[in-house]
Amino acid sequence: QVQLVESGGGVVQPGRSLRLSCAASGFIFSTYGMHWVRQAPGKGLEWVAAIWYDGSNKYYADSVKGRFTISRDNSKNTLYLQMNSLRAEDTTVYYCARGGVGASGPNDYWGQGTLVTVSS
Amino acid sequence: EIVMTQSPATLSVSPGERATLSCRASQSVSSNLAWYQQKPGQAPRLLIYAASIRATGIPARFSGSGSGTEFTLTISSLQSEDFAVYYCQQYNNWPYAFGQGTKLEIK
Repeated sequence: QVQLVESGGGVVQPGRSLRLSCAASGFIFSTYGMHWVRQAPGKGLEWVAAIWYDGSNKYYADSVKGRFTISRDNSKNTLYLQMNSLRAEDTTVYYCARGGVGASGPNDYWGQGTLVTVSS
Repeated sequence: EIVMTQSPATLSVSPGERATLSCRASQSVSSNLAWYQQKPGQAPRLLIYAASIRATGIPARFSGSGSGTEFTLTISSLQSEDFAVYYCQQYNNWPYAFGQGTKLEIK
């Protein structure tokens, strides 16, 4: 069955960096677009970033553009989110989610999330 | 970028009754609209995609309709497990966008 397992969350100081990983299994990872979605405690869902199946195109929310970088390693079935210049408002649970075949599409499978806390 | 607006913010309905949730897009998203259900402490679950197609394993009491800018999620006869927060999402344009959510609570 499809599984997405995030890791790499934790407590980090403002201005520092963190890299999240998402290990995928149960499907042909290299054929699907992949996304990161986040959710602040008690708040709604915020779409963060997406990457095409082959890594050729990447898209970002304005709130993270220029600070976050999404990438993938299809040989390792792993999705990444490099987060730089972290701010207090980046304190959220980060979910990895599968997109559509190739590029765009709804998020049909989600990981359980990893919590990032930005605090001094 | 497209802004998604859901209404109402909170909906109080009795078990067995029908619930109707609305989602509006700031510009047309064609039928590229999904609905998700989220329960406390859990990841979201895809209910509906392409505005009206139920995802795998979703009960028939969930139905979606609409196109363009106006969409509706209907739950025909509420079960206890349906009380949760529901989000709509457009995936027609980048960046994707979610609505702010509708909390469905027991009346």
